[in-house]
Amino acid sequence: DVKVTQSSRYLVKRTGEKVFLECVQDMDHENMFWYRQDPGLGLRLIYFSYDVKMKEKGDIPEGYSVSREKKERFSLILESASTNQTSMYLCASSLGGAFTEAFFGQGTRLTVV
Amino acid sequence: SQKIEQNSEALNIQEGKTATLTCNYTNYSPAYLQWYRQDPGRGPVFLLLIRENEKEKRKERLKVTFDTTLKQSLFHITASQPADSATYLCAPPGGYQKVTFGTGTKLQVIP
Repeated sequence: DVKVTQSSRYLVKRTGEKVFLECVQDMDHENMFWYRQDPGLGLRLIYFSYDVKMKEKGDIPEGYSVSREKKERFSLILESASTNQTSMYLCASSLGGAFTEAFFGQGTRLTVV
Repeated sequence: SQKIEQNSEALNIQEGKTATLTCNYTNYSPAYLQWYRQDPGRGPVFLLLIRENEKEKRKERLKVTFDTTLKQSLFHITASQPADSATYLCAPPGGYQKVTFGTGTKLQVIP
């Protein structure tokens, strides 16, 4: 079975801190994604990576950056955390090409105080 | 801009009945649609994918239809059970290899 693992289930950070959210997948998938999920807004794509060191902005990239130095690992970085970044963050991976399903991690609930 | 609409109100149905969830999309023509299930505090789990040239797809008690004229997909769960209670997400592609999601419909199956 495909496994996507996020480094933390719950995280509390202070405003202004630099925050790293890590995600690892074990199925040699080409694509990896970071979403955030907020009540009433659904899942919104922050960034997408289709290969090592390759990335594309999603719908809401402002305030975030990503890093993919190895195929299995995709990191989301909040350069200076703000309270409006309090959310559930979900990482996903998929095999390259169209018509492929996404496999999700368990999510990280981040609270910025 | 592309828009995905799912009924944001919760759907309550009696155990044993068929649940029907709706996904409408506007301003684009996706080549396929995926449906996911999400339980509270967990990531979504893939259920079914239907392509634009398929009118219907089935998997056990699940059935998905795709009407490209109406720009609508319907998701059915027959003989519903309390364990089917969850949020169901419609997910058309948001560009090549990307997956985008509707806000989901929360289904509650009442025993």
